[in-house]
Amino acid sequence: DTEVTQTPKHLVMGMTNKKSLKCEQHMGHRAMYWYKQKAKKPPELMFVYSYEKLSINESVPSRFSPECPNSSLLNLHLHALQPEDSALYLCASSQDNWGGGTGELFFGEGSRLTVL
Amino acid sequence: KNQVEQSPQSLIILEGKNCTLQCNYTVSPFSNLRWYKQDTGRGPVSLTIMTFSENTKSNGRYTATLDADTKQSSLHITASQLSDSASYICVVTYGNNRLAFGKGNQVVVIP
Repeated sequence: DTEVTQTPKHLVMGMTNKKSLKCEQHMGHRAMYWYKQKAKKPPELMFVYSYEKLSINESVPSRFSPECPNSSLLNLHLHALQPEDSALYLCASSQDNWGGGTGELFFGEGSRLTVL
Repeated sequence: KNQVEQSPQSLIILEGKNCTLQCNYTVSPFSNLRWYKQDTGRGPVSLTIMTFSENTKSNGRYTATLDADTKQSSLHITASQLSDSASYICVVTYGNNRLAFGKGNQVVVIP
């Protein structure tokens, strides 16, 4: 079982709704990530948090707002999304930034988002 | 042009047979290469990680190879099982700890 927990597993929301995706890890990892994955495509990086600070924002629209309340939690706040934002949103963590060297990315199971 | 190319894009194999997936990359400087298995609708799970000096690494029925000179890697699945049906993603770490993802090899194992 993955040690990165994401909730909810499925979310359906309208374009005017405000919702949040949550991610939690208790491995002591100091880097956490949000990825967006469309069907039959590889994951695309959205945000990277390193030591609870936002270090990478891959030009993500402001309707996606990340938050890292502490080293174990990562949220993604959603507001005024578009139907094309429907995707699988993956959270990942690594021991240090980017999981470089012999490090590794641990992925959660993902949150399947549908925007109507 | 994608910096990590995987082939074949998809393949169907009979249960019990072997198959080999290819990953070619152009990014540099190279740090490491990982193969992930992703079941439909689930998060990717790491199978192997290979650094510059490693040529072959096995994880059960999965064997990965790396040729850092030609920038090629392969993932060999031995005696395939129905549970091997998944997308296999090649991820290369390079430069200042940047990640480049391949588009994945979609494998379907049929009885």
